Amino acid sequence: DQQVKQNSPSLSVQEGRISILNCDYTNSMFDYFLWYKKYPAEGPTFLISISSIKDKNEDGRFTVFLNKSAKHLSLHIVPSQPGDSAVYFCAASVMEGAQKLVFGQGTRLTINP
Amino acid sequence: SAVISQKPSRDICQRGTSLTIQCQVDSQVTMMFWYRQQPGQSLTLIATANQGSEATYESGFVIDKFPISRPNLTFSTLTVSNMSPEDSSIYLCSVRTGETSGNTIYFGEGSWLTVV
Repeated sequence: DQQVKQNSPSLSVQEGRISILNCDYTNSMFDYFLWYKKYPAEGPTFLISISSIKDKNEDGRFTVFLNKSAKHLSLHIVPSQPGDSAVYFCAASVMEGAQKLVFGQGTRLTINP
Repeated sequence: SAVISQKPSRDICQRGTSLTIQCQVDSQVTMMFWYRQQPGQSLTLIATANQGSEATYESGFVIDKFPISRPNLTFSTLTVSNMSPEDSSIYLCSVRTGETSGNTIYFGEGSWLTVV
């Protein structure tokens, strides 16, 4: 049972344009969501997070939107830069307790010059 | 944030052998986690390691195969025992900073194991 899903395995975007990465979840207990960026053979790097009491969180070029009724979140990167090319993972957890992360399958973002 | 160092960063292992991965954090943390990312797959939690208690394993992972030590608040080890090619993965140590819920979880650089 895949509780966190990233349905697009890959995405290609022109440099300077907006990149939108999507993530859906099924477990209504999840109340904390994170996005990580990962290069090959490296550990994931934390990008941005959002708790369920908010519907938007912004940090520089990165904005995460949360739609609780749809159990959907998205990461917007604008403007996209070549260095943004990586695999992006969405993760979800329950804030109370151990806060274990459940990850999506990842989306490979490629920024074209 | 936290600086997390893992050793080894990469290794090629013989089938049937065991390898211990070390994770060192630059600050004291209560909760440490071990994840695995098999080729082409997402990250999967192996176990949660809290200092002073036994590790808690997720479904599909057992202590005999993945024994974990957590001797203090800055260090942990994960052993991959009796390795087979299916154990070829990146193994990642992660920590939750702060004591309150909602704090971010950070990852080490990972240990890439190839079993031949």
